[in-house]
Amino acid sequence: GESVGLHLPTLSVQEGDNSIINCAYSNSASDYFIWYKQESGKGPQFIIDIRSNMDKRQGQRVTVLLNKTVKHLSLQIAATQPGDSAVYFCAEMNTGFQKLVFGTGTRLLVSP
Amino acid sequence: GAVVSQHPSWVICKSGTSVKIECRSLDFQATTMFWYRQFPKQSLMLMATSNEGSKATYEQGVEKDKFLINHASLTLSTLTVTSAHPEDSSFYICSAALTSGGPGDTQYFGPGTRLTVL
Repeated sequence: GESVGLHLPTLSVQEGDNSIINCAYSNSASDYFIWYKQESGKGPQFIIDIRSNMDKRQGQRVTVLLNKTVKHLSLQIAATQPGDSAVYFCAEMNTGFQKLVFGTGTRLLVSP
Repeated sequence: GAVVSQHPSWVICKSGTSVKIECRSLDFQATTMFWYRQFPKQSLMLMATSNEGSKATYEQGVEKDKFLINHASLTLSTLTVTSAHPEDSSFYICSAALTSGGPGDTQYFGPGTRLTVL
């Protein structure tokens, strides 16, 4: 399930399930969006990106959906594996300012 | 390809001392490098943007005299935390972009430097 509190929102899934991580972005002028995976004590790792002229993009086991109307971004991970356990951040950019703004993050816990 | 390294990976220092953190792009030249700070269980917050050969652009609320940034070459940027205090303890992460950091110019992140100020 998903929980929100004083700590990072956490999504707990079973190995093999599909995971959906959501993100609400703040700037309607943002036109480029990226999902990052961050493991404990490491820097963010690029997963997938999408530009504002698209509403869906697929990678290997991952899909990003963009809904500009409600300023919502989601990351879908198919057949989630224990190695997918990490904190996932969405980031938005207004390319006019070339500055990445990170969301609050969601911790994904995958149990075998 | 597109590997960014940071040195040191962790550092412990006494309050009042200065600490320098290096960020290197190992296999590409980075016109623009970015410095972020991340507190435990929080997101990354951009501190400053540095372009090779020019002064860094600091985000609102970041003291430029406390966090000195030098981008002397296309493969190296340094962040110096001057007169560090315990509240400066954090995870400092750099990223490097191939050109100007726009769309398609992916930012490649370093592994981060854990700073603990006693």
